[in-house]
Amino acid sequence: NAGVTQTPKFQVLKTGQSMTLQCAQDMNHNSMYWYRQDPGMGLRLIYYSASEGTTDKGEVPNGYNVSRLNKREFSLRLESAAPSQTSVYFCASSEGGYNEQFFGPGTRLTVL
Amino acid sequence: DAKTTQPPSMDCAEGRAANLPCNHSTISGNEYVYWYRQIHSQGPQYIIHGLKNNETNEMASLIITEDRKSSTLILPHATLRDTAVYYCIVRSTGTASKLTFGTGTRLQVTL
Repeated sequence: NAGVTQTPKFQVLKTGQSMTLQCAQDMNHNSMYWYRQDPGMGLRLIYYSASEGTTDKGEVPNGYNVSRLNKREFSLRLESAAPSQTSVYFCASSEGGYNEQFFGPGTRLTVL
Repeated sequence: DAKTTQPPSMDCAEGRAANLPCNHSTISGNEYVYWYRQIHSQGPQYIIHGLKNNETNEMASLIITEDRKSSTLILPHATLRDTAVYYCIVRSTGTASKLTFGTGTRLQVTL
């Protein structure tokens, strides 16, 4: 099992450009999450999907959109990137409830 | 979710037990204590969680005080590979319980 995979690993964007970060899990988990981590900080939740077909805002949703494409895939879209969105983005999945979350390796995004 | 307080950094000699404290004085009855760690810039890794009883797994032990206002994560024989940032998180129930990460404790294991 690959667990949680994320693409791309690295990305550089110019201000105003758009892009989609991809996340997939092969553990048949119900819930999926997107976090961002700024230097020296803990992770902050952007959006989550409790189950296929549902999405909800987390702590820092502004400037992002998400799509739960199917049970395996959960994508994060930046419509008009800003330098403040320079960060490392982590995707995670879990069975839900009290079960632990499994994290992907992250996408390092720089917005110039 | 209740707020947690952890020391910003700790050192531990290799082979010794690492005891990482966490204060969660506002924890409520249905909230669990979770520990994750993040090695370098990798994605966080689950370690252990508990409600009120002490818990042990192959990675660590979790000791929760009787009043549940604090807990300690114990790595019984720390190795250099345990050098990481350790996050103590209090988490409530729910279909998609969210993790709220603080800044954690940076554990440095040395020779």
